[in-house]
Amino acid sequence: NAGVTQTPKFQVLKTGQSMTLQCAQDMNHNSMYWYRQDPGMGLRLIYYSASEGTTDKGEVPNGYNVSRLNKREFSLRLESAAPSQTSVYFCASSRAGLSNSPLHFGNGTRLTVT
Amino acid sequence: AQTVTQSQPEMSVQEAETVTLSCTYDTSESDYYLFWYKQPPSRQMILVIRQEAYKQQNATENRFSVNFQKAAKSFSLKISDSQLGDAAMYFCAYRANNYGQNFVFGPGTRLSVLP
Repeated sequence: NAGVTQTPKFQVLKTGQSMTLQCAQDMNHNSMYWYRQDPGMGLRLIYYSASEGTTDKGEVPNGYNVSRLNKREFSLRLESAAPSQTSVYFCASSRAGLSNSPLHFGNGTRLTVT
Repeated sequence: AQTVTQSQPEMSVQEAETVTLSCTYDTSESDYYLFWYKQPPSRQMILVIRQEAYKQQNATENRFSVNFQKAAKSFSLKISDSQLGDAAMYFCAYRANNYGQNFVFGPGTRLSVLP
C-alpha cells in the first residue's frame, strides 16, 4: 500500500519560476490537504479539499493555488515562486466525517527558492 | 481560534530512561481529539498516539502513553524505555469534533536520545 505519494522530493527554483507539486493517495480518502513546515512554526495549512470538487483556503494560502483533479489527486501550484516560499511541503489525506481520523502524510517536498 | 503550544523546543533523554513532552492547547470546544506525531530525520510524519477528549482513560501505545488533563487543557506524551530510534521531532495536534474543523499543530519538540 503506497498511502500518500507526493513528488518531487526536492526542488530548487529561481524567484519568479512556477511549479506544481503532485500528490496522490490510494486510501479512498475524501479529504486532502497541503501543509508547509517551517522551523519553529509546526505545520501550517495552505489549502484543503474536504471532498472531490471542493477546495478551501487554509491559514497561509497566498501565493498558492490548488486543484483537486479527482478523488485521488490534489496538486499545489506556485505560479511565481518567492524566497518566502522556501519550505518543506506536505500533502496529507484523511477520512471525511470522522474527526478522530488521523492525517496520513506523504514524505514531503523540500523546496528552495533562490 | 484554537492554538497548540509546545513549550519545550528541545529535550534530551538517556537511552532506556523515561521522558515527558509537554503540550497545552486553547479551545472553547468540549468535544475534540488530540494527536501526537513523530517526525524522524527521514522527514516522514508518523502517528504515535491519539486521544478522544470524551474518554477519561489515557491512551497507551506500547512504550508511548499520554497524560490527558482536560480541565488544564494539557496533553503530555510520555516515552518509556527510550530508544535511539525515538530521536525525532514530535508534534502535538488538535482537532475539534465539528464538521470542517481542521488540524492545528504545535511548533514541535526536538527529542535527542543519548546513548
